[in-house]
Amino acid sequence: EDKVVQSPLSLVVHEGDTVTLNCSYEVTNFRSLLWYKQEKKAPTFLFMLTSSGIEKKSGRLSSILDKKELSSILNITATQTGDSAIYLCAVEPGGGTYKYIFGTGTRLKVLA
Amino acid sequence: NAGVTQTPKFQVLKTGQSMTLQCAQDMNHNSMYWYRQDPGMGLRLIYYSASEGTTDKGEVPNGYNVSRLNKREFSLRLESAAPSQTSVYFCASTPGGSYEQYFGPGTRLTVT
Repeated sequence: EDKVVQSPLSLVVHEGDTVTLNCSYEVTNFRSLLWYKQEKKAPTFLFMLTSSGIEKKSGRLSSILDKKELSSILNITATQTGDSAIYLCAVEPGGGTYKYIFGTGTRLKVLA
Repeated sequence: NAGVTQTPKFQVLKTGQSMTLQCAQDMNHNSMYWYRQDPGMGLRLIYYSASEGTTDKGEVPNGYNVSRLNKREFSLRLESAAPSQTSVYFCASTPGGSYEQYFGPGTRLTVT
């Protein structure tokens, strides 16, 4: 059964801290891994990682895909209160299913 | 472009009532999805449509039916609502495989 597991489930840090969120997966024929940020409403897209693009960076956020360990990390440096959100990881198995399997998410709270 | 739109935004039903959640996208995307999100459960796929004319079950299809009316619209029907279907429902679309999913604003459904 395809599965995506995120850790930790929740995290509380202070502004300025650096955080690392984890996503591990077991899927057949991996195709891509996506990270989303969800504040109060719909998830918004952060990064997509594939076999040909295993590292992405945007400002204070960066993500790496470890194909050997079947996992990905999302790093946020110099955290701000605006980073408080649920961070979701989704994996797309191959085989033409066009399905995305989401993890349960990591709830991050950044204190001022 | 409006992106992905969902109606209604909120709905309260009594047990046994039926209703249809509507979703439309104006991005000419091929694939559309229905998810539910419950506390601590992440996003769980109910049904998806890889392309116009096709639909497939996801992880939690029981109690739901879908219709891909045309390329733009994908509706979700609850024939006989149950309290266990109290959730936030998100519709999403994507051009095809290995692309980010674009999410609608969600429908908060309460079944009493």
